[in-house]
Amino acid sequence: QVQLQESGPGLVKPSETLSLTCTVSGGSFSSAYWSWIRQPPGQGLEWIGYVTYSGNTNYNDSIKSRVTISVDRSKNQVSLNVKSVTAADTAVYFCARVKVALYGEVIYYYMDVWGKGTTVSVSS
Amino acid sequence: EIVLTQSPGTLSLSPGERATLSCRASQSVTSGNLAWFQQKPGQAPRLLIYGASNRATGIPDRFSGSGSGTDFTLTISRLEPEDFAVYYCQQCDISPPKFTFGPGTKVDIK
Repeated sequence: QVQLQESGPGLVKPSETLSLTCTVSGGSFSSAYWSWIRQPPGQGLEWIGYVTYSGNTNYNDSIKSRVTISVDRSKNQVSLNVKSVTAADTAVYFCARVKVALYGEVIYYYMDVWGKGTTVSVSS
Repeated sequence: EIVLTQSPGTLSLSPGERATLSCRASQSVTSGNLAWFQQKPGQAPRLLIYGASNRATGIPDRFSGSGSGTDFTLTISRLEPEDFAVYYCQQCDISPPKFTFGPGTKVDIK
């Protein structure tokens, strides 16, 4: 059974870089995409981006200029970096597995396993 | 970019009642790549439905999804106490995959 665990600093200063890690355990690391999603306090969910096992990435246009997602296959870890943070980046950050499933001629992409999330506050 | 709208914003119902949640997309959702999630306070979202109508593993059959194109529905046939939560729809543009979430519908106890 796949489990995801986010980790990283809970407090980041404005203009600095937010760095988080998602450790994947208990399942195949190679057969899925790995995504980051965030949720500001009291608000809805925002998809940040994903990385594939081979290292290909895709990001939300609203944040892509500041975001890097990477994969460390030797450690079964996925990393998120968000540079030049402001108070608007304060949120709970989740990592999730994106399962890619073929049903006949249709490919479905869906986030079926999530970490518990980690809270990041941006403040001086 | 496809924008998702969910209605109503809040749904006040009693246990045992039927809940019908709507998700409307600004453009047709590719190949029905529409998912529904349930989120309770302090918890991560939980996948309920993928591909518009396929229940995820372990999801009770009182949850069902339907729809295609731009209009999708999540139905909870008989609300259990544990079903009171916020529900999000999410779509995936598949070339290449990009995801967007709707703003959510809160189902609370009447």
